[in-house]
Amino acid sequence: LAKTTQPISMDSYEGQEVNITCSHNNIATNDYITWYQQFPSQGPRFIIQGYKTKVTNEVASLFIPADRKSSTLSLPRVSLSDTAVYYCLVGDAGSSASKIIFGSGTRLSIRP
Amino acid sequence: SQTIHQWPATLVQPVGSPLSLECTVEGTSNPNLYWYRQAAGRGLQLLFYSVGIGQISSEVPQNLSASRPQDRQFILSSKKLLLSDSGFYLCAWSVRSLGRNTEAFFGQGTRLTVV
Repeated sequence: LAKTTQPISMDSYEGQEVNITCSHNNIATNDYITWYQQFPSQGPRFIIQGYKTKVTNEVASLFIPADRKSSTLSLPRVSLSDTAVYYCLVGDAGSSASKIIFGSGTRLSIRP
Repeated sequence: SQTIHQWPATLVQPVGSPLSLECTVEGTSNPNLYWYRQAAGRGLQLLFYSVGIGQISSEVPQNLSASRPQDRQFILSSKKLLLSDSGFYLCAWSVRSLGRNTEAFFGQGTRLTVV
């Protein structure tokens, strides 16, 4: 399984765009990149998933360069409610069953 | 729609007592099922995962065990709890299909305190 590395914590202010970068140098051909959000005392919630280039949904955008050795989660115009831990995962979505391994995540704090 | 039920929400157990946490999924069939534990301020540790009835893979050797007696039921057990078993336990499921099996849906969790 590819290991991921992301910053332990980040701070930002309301209304700003926040970019969280994750490194996954050993990503395999079949691996997809998935990001989750976790609030205190809750389970993680799926945010976005991608394989290459750019993926956008109503919550975030995910940028993946051509070599796929890193990815960046972009949160536009954050609010206080975006304060949470964000996890970057790399897993084999090319088979029907996959272990889902979480790292330590990035603790994002949004200030007024 | 699919839902996942996990209970109890909180649990306080003495050291050496047994444990049984149950998780059930509704609205889907043949899911992948997972048990995670999260210590305070830490990331999620995968304990067990299952791709089918009676099929359990253990990620962390310890005094915990898991069973899947039915397709949508996943049980986490221990015969004798340790203080180090305290934590936030989360059950999750994912769709068993290409490209979607890495999108997990979590239950509300059980906060276990061993005293």
